[in-house]
Amino acid sequence: GNSVTQMEGPVTLSEEAFLTINCTYTATGYPSLFWYVQYPGEGLQLLLKATKADDKGSNKGFEATYRKETTSFHLEKGSVQVSDSAVYFCALSNNAGNMLTFGGGTRLMVKP
Amino acid sequence: DVKVTQSSRYLVKRTGEKVFLECVQDMDHENMFWYRQDPGLGLRLIYFSYDVKMKEKGDIPEGYSVSREKKERFSLILESASTNQTSMYLCASSAGTPETGNTIYFGEGSWLTVV
Repeated sequence: GNSVTQMEGPVTLSEEAFLTINCTYTATGYPSLFWYVQYPGEGLQLLLKATKADDKGSNKGFEATYRKETTSFHLEKGSVQVSDSAVYFCALSNNAGNMLTFGGGTRLMVKP
Repeated sequence: DVKVTQSSRYLVKRTGEKVFLECVQDMDHENMFWYRQDPGLGLRLIYFSYDVKMKEKGDIPEGYSVSREKKERFSLILESASTNQTSMYLCASSAGTPETGNTIYFGEGSWLTVV
């Protein structure tokens, strides 16, 4: 079956630090990969996505590259802000029903 | 703008009560989902529906049922609430065609506490 593994948090960084949140997956076929973000007290919002190998998704300074050879989709940002503090979920989907399989989530805390 | 609306943000219910969580989407999406979110466990799929009156069990359907009488509305029902169902519940929807890139849109969540 499908599974997604994320690094456990919390990840605590100072403002303007470089961010990496690791994500690896197991899936049959050719899944689409996603990063969702959940700000405190809110639902999930799509942050970025990639639908095929070597695609790079990017949004709001975040980016992730679909690496089929390492089955990874690591999230990166060059300079984090306090407003980036949230929980980040890696997810995959590989069926027409668009069901998502989520990782456990990684909490990011950015200090001024 | 994409909109998935969950009717209740915060609920407190007693053990044994029947609980309804309502979700409405305005994007004419075929697919709708109910997830629960628990610390350390991420999101787990309870039920999903790919058409009106159709439903499929997800990973953790026990203790839950669903109803989809209209395309825009997907209800989650706890027949007899228990304390282990205290959680955050997230509704989501998506279009059924691969061309959409499989994007799923979420509501803001419903915090349910069962006492």
